[in-house]
Amino acid sequence: NAGVTQTPKFQVLKTGQSMTLQCAQDMNHEYMSWYRQDPGMGLRLIHYSVGAGITDQGEVPNGYNVSRSTTEDFPLRLLSAAPSQTSVYFCASRETANYGYTFGSGTRLTVV
Amino acid sequence: KNEVEQSPQNLTAQEGEFITINCSYSVGISALHWLQQHPGGGIVSLFMLSSGKKKHGRLIATINIQEKHSSLHITASHPRDSAVYICAALPHNTDKLIFGTGTRLQVFP
Repeated sequence: NAGVTQTPKFQVLKTGQSMTLQCAQDMNHEYMSWYRQDPGMGLRLIHYSVGAGITDQGEVPNGYNVSRSTTEDFPLRLLSAAPSQTSVYFCASRETANYGYTFGSGTRLTVV
Repeated sequence: KNEVEQSPQNLTAQEGEFITINCSYSVGISALHWLQQHPGGGIVSLFMLSSGKKKHGRLIATINIQEKHSSLHITASHPRDSAVYICAALPHNTDKLIFGTGTRLQVFP
């Protein structure tokens, strides 16, 4: 089915490890974005992209890198995991500014 | 003060009741989004508004740009409407959504 696919669904990391959260969409959407959701804080934008080759920082970009080499994929890299990065991560996409967002099912990350 | 504020934070209702969730924002926006987050965690986009009113089934969303306020209404509420409802503002000339902290709705039979 068409949509936004996030992998993995769950991940436990040790402090200092690195990993990549994958996000892929098959709807040819130009806009993709990553959010983290923490209890009591709501969703916060980490990084976003308005098209292949174009990325920009959101509200909480520190400790995360992104790249957008294709329209379909928008991976989020944790360079050196910290316990403060324990969170649920959501990827989303949308066709243009005139449309709503399609969200992935989320990745629950625990850093110990 | 958060740029997007929702009220109430928690809401309980009996099946059949009319529900209203409010969202106020302090920035100029190009659009206001309403999202629903299911108990299992998945997030679904309900509405995108830039003016007026939209309706989908039993859900109605309104926005008053001058007052910087939006409401989400649920008519004839049902237990399956139990979820967290989140509003998010998209400021002018940016793609950076700003989220409210959500309203947790529980509808009892």
